[in-house]
Amino acid sequence: GAVVSQHPSWVICKSGTSVKIECRSLDFQATTMFWYRQFPKQSLMLMATSNEGSKATYEQGVEKDKFLINHASLTLSTLTVTSAHPEDSSFYICSARDPGKGSYNEQFFGPGTRLTVL
Amino acid sequence: KQEVTQIPAALSVPEGENLVLNCSFTDSAIYNLQWFRQDPGKGLTSLLLIQSSQREQTSGRLNASLDKSSGRSTLYIAASQPGDSATYLCAVISSNTGKLIFGQGTTLQVKP
Repeated sequence: GAVVSQHPSWVICKSGTSVKIECRSLDFQATTMFWYRQFPKQSLMLMATSNEGSKATYEQGVEKDKFLINHASLTLSTLTVTSAHPEDSSFYICSARDPGKGSYNEQFFGPGTRLTVL
Repeated sequence: KQEVTQIPAALSVPEGENLVLNCSFTDSAIYNLQWFRQDPGKGLTSLLLIQSSQREQTSGRLNASLDKSSGRSTLYIAASQPGDSATYLCAVISSNTGKLIFGQGTTLQVKP
């Protein structure tokens, strides 16, 4: 149990286009989902926290108009990178949390999405 | 502000050696501490999770300890194998913010 999937696993796009990444909890309902970004040879940095049915909370320095997050259901959150530029190229990883699953506050991670903007 | 530091940044050992990875955190107000493994270009694999009230957790050849008062954790890998080569990440959940804060990771290479 506690499986989280992401789609697509990798995407290449042209500068200026928008890209949507999906994060799904497959066998549990995720009241909270998180989006992280990881640049090469660096650690994961939290971008935003989203709770089902409410607006996402963004970390300092993350542009909410550029990284649109929607958590419309208890099993799906989407991250849309709008007007992507080469500097947005990164590894995006989502995680999901259900208070009734695993240890308290434990997050379950998706496999990540590699975004390359040309 | 919680900060997580991992030492060393990189480590290369011959196969069969026992090794210790270190993690330290600045704020002892944590819910738990977790060790992850990340292979190149891949997502995270959770290895061990230690609750704040616990001192250690074991899984196979892995043993993780937690000393919350001193802000330290160690991951002990016994009888290392080439397949253990990966980046190991330490992360804590802050009880103040509920957020998971990651260290920079230790990249381990086990040579046959």
